[in-house]
Amino acid sequence: EAQVTQNPRYLITVTGKKLTVTCSQNMNHEYMSWYRQDPGLGLRQIYYSMNVEVTDKGDVPEGYKVSRKEKRNFPLILESPSPNQTSLYFCASSLMASGSTDTQYFGPGTRLTVL
Amino acid sequence: KQEVTQIPAALSVPEGENLVLNCSFTDSAIYNLQWFRQDPGKGLTSLLLIQSSQREQTSGRLNASLDKSSGRSTLYIAASQPGDSATYLCAVRFFGAARQLTFGSGTQLTVLP
Repeated sequence: EAQVTQNPRYLITVTGKKLTVTCSQNMNHEYMSWYRQDPGLGLRQIYYSMNVEVTDKGDVPEGYKVSRKEKRNFPLILESPSPNQTSLYFCASSLMASGSTDTQYFGPGTRLTVL
Repeated sequence: KQEVTQIPAALSVPEGENLVLNCSFTDSAIYNLQWFRQDPGKGLTSLLLIQSSQREQTSGRLNASLDKSSGRSTLYIAASQPGDSATYLCAVRFFGAARQLTFGSGTQLTVLP
């Protein structure tokens, strides 16, 4: 089954404790992206990747890191989480970064709480 | 600034009604527009994608239209069912910001049995 998976689905942590949220897709997609969703602010892009070893900042990259060492994986790293990073996080992928026919597929989300 | 707006924020209808959800965007230079469904605490499911060159797309009871010149899209749901209750999100891929989707804030739909 074609899908985007994220782990963990739920995470409660404390300020300053490094964490990684994994994202994996099995559709051989070139493009992958991370969004966060907050009440009243909608979904905002954090980082995206056009292909292996190619990453760039989205609208709200501060406090986050990403890497793309393999095509299928795109982990989101919070080196020193803070309470304002409490949010619902989504990973997404599509065949290519642009193009009029390109549908984005989303993972199930990771609900992160930073105390 | 390229923005996407969805009004109303919430909508409640009785089962069986046909309904229309609205999406407006500020720039007509777009690659495509995508409608998603989000269930509480869940991820986003893509419903329909309309390319810039298209006027509408249909899938089952869903029909999405696109009018680039006026910066509007509508999602028509025929014969609504309680299982259609969810938040519906509109997202646009703008020229000049092709690396991301710009999302509206969504319309929370409740279909009453």
